[in-house]
Amino acid sequence: DAKTTQPNSMESNEEEPVHLPCNHSTISGTDYIHWYRQLPSQGPEYVIHGLTSNVNNRMASLAIAEDRKSSTLILHRATLRDAAVYYCILRDYLYSGGGADGLTFGKGTHLIIQP
Amino acid sequence: DTGVSQNPRHKITKRGQNVTFRCDPISEHNRLYWYRQTLGQGPEFLTYFQNEAQLEKSRLLSDRFSAERPKGSFSTLEIQRTEQGDSAMYLCASSLEVTGAEAFFGQGTRLTVV
Repeated sequence: DAKTTQPNSMESNEEEPVHLPCNHSTISGTDYIHWYRQLPSQGPEYVIHGLTSNVNNRMASLAIAEDRKSSTLILHRATLRDAAVYYCILRDYLYSGGGADGLTFGKGTHLIIQP
Repeated sequence: DTGVSQNPRHKITKRGQNVTFRCDPISEHNRLYWYRQTLGQGPEFLTYFQNEAQLEKSRLLSDRFSAERPKGSFSTLEIQRTEQGDSAMYLCASSLEVTGAEAFFGQGTRLTVV
């Protein structure tokens, strides 16, 4: 599986935007970029995913570099409830037709939000 | 539907005992996954079902571990002859059979082997 690299931790202030980077220099043409987050004592939850174009949803935005070797998860206005571990994961969509692999999580970025 | 449900939430067992965990996925999801998570690490993939068929198993799934999904609905994960190294959070997730489908996770079962 292609690997991702994320900072171990980041700090931000409440109500400010947060940009969480992810490097995936060995990404293949069929890898989707997925982001999940895990709040304390919870299972992971889906945040957003994309392939080539930037994506927006109610939780966040995903900015994907033109060469797809990096991406940035953007939380537009962080709240204390956004404090979590954020995982950037590459998922080969060719596997999704059967014999699909599970998500391969790294250690993620521990996001700390200061009030 | 209230999402993916896992029972029990916590389990303490003595070394050498067998334990079984249950996962009830979201009803229309035909894919079900089991993961294990130890402190400070991300979840590690254990195994995957599509309906009742177990299609993939990680090398982490030793012969003491067995998972089933009879009738393609709920799933059970059994650990036989538990060891202290089995202490972890066991997470279940389910998803639709769609390219890049979002996986929905349960809150997990925390196993402590003493």
